[in-house]
Amino acid sequence: DAKTTQPNSMESNEEEPVHLPCNHSTISGTDYIHWYRQLPSQGPEYVIHGLTSNVNNRMASLAIAEDRKSSTLILHRATLRDAAVYYCILEKYNNDMRFGAGTRLTVKP
Amino acid sequence: DAGVIQSPRHEVTEMGQEVTLRCKPISGHNSLFWYRQTMMRGLELLIYFNNNVPIDDSGMPEDRFSAKMPNASFSTLKIQPSEPRDSAVYFCASKTKGQGNTEAFFGQGTRLTVV
Repeated sequence: DAKTTQPNSMESNEEEPVHLPCNHSTISGTDYIHWYRQLPSQGPEYVIHGLTSNVNNRMASLAIAEDRKSSTLILHRATLRDAAVYYCILEKYNNDMRFGAGTRLTVKP
Repeated sequence: DAGVIQSPRHEVTEMGQEVTLRCKPISGHNSLFWYRQTMMRGLELLIYFNNNVPIDDSGMPEDRFSAKMPNASFSTLKIQPSEPRDSAVYFCASKTKGQGNTEAFFGQGTRLTVV
């Protein structure tokens, strides 16, 4: 199974950009890269996804390496409400979605 | 749409009792997932369905766990008999079946405590 590797935790200051890395060296050609986040006491929520090209939406940007073996989730201006566990997952063509340990982001005021 | 609805939100039961968790997916979604989350093991995929058919149940811990999806708007996860180690938060999620390119929506979860 294709797996992802993320740092256990990261810290950021409020109003500053945050770059959350993810390695997925065993990604296959049809796997989509998804990011979800889980706020305290809530279920995970979708953030962004992509296949090969960089993606932007109202929440974040996703930068995908040319060889697709890594990606970076970019929060342009972190707020206290962005403190959460961020998960990078590879979703297969058959919709199989398995979560790793994620990165716990702490945002300091 | 009200989103993915799970019930009950909290369940406390005694060891050996049967527990049934319920999930109503978002209308129109045709993929449904059950996850279990604990501090020790994180967020584990238990089983998922496409078009009401179980696709992969390799994450189901043992025979005490069973899941059904009798129609597109309802799914259950049953534990019989329950054990203290089953205590966890159970999440249900639904999405439109795609090629891996659609977003999933999660319910608020059911916090199960087995004493």
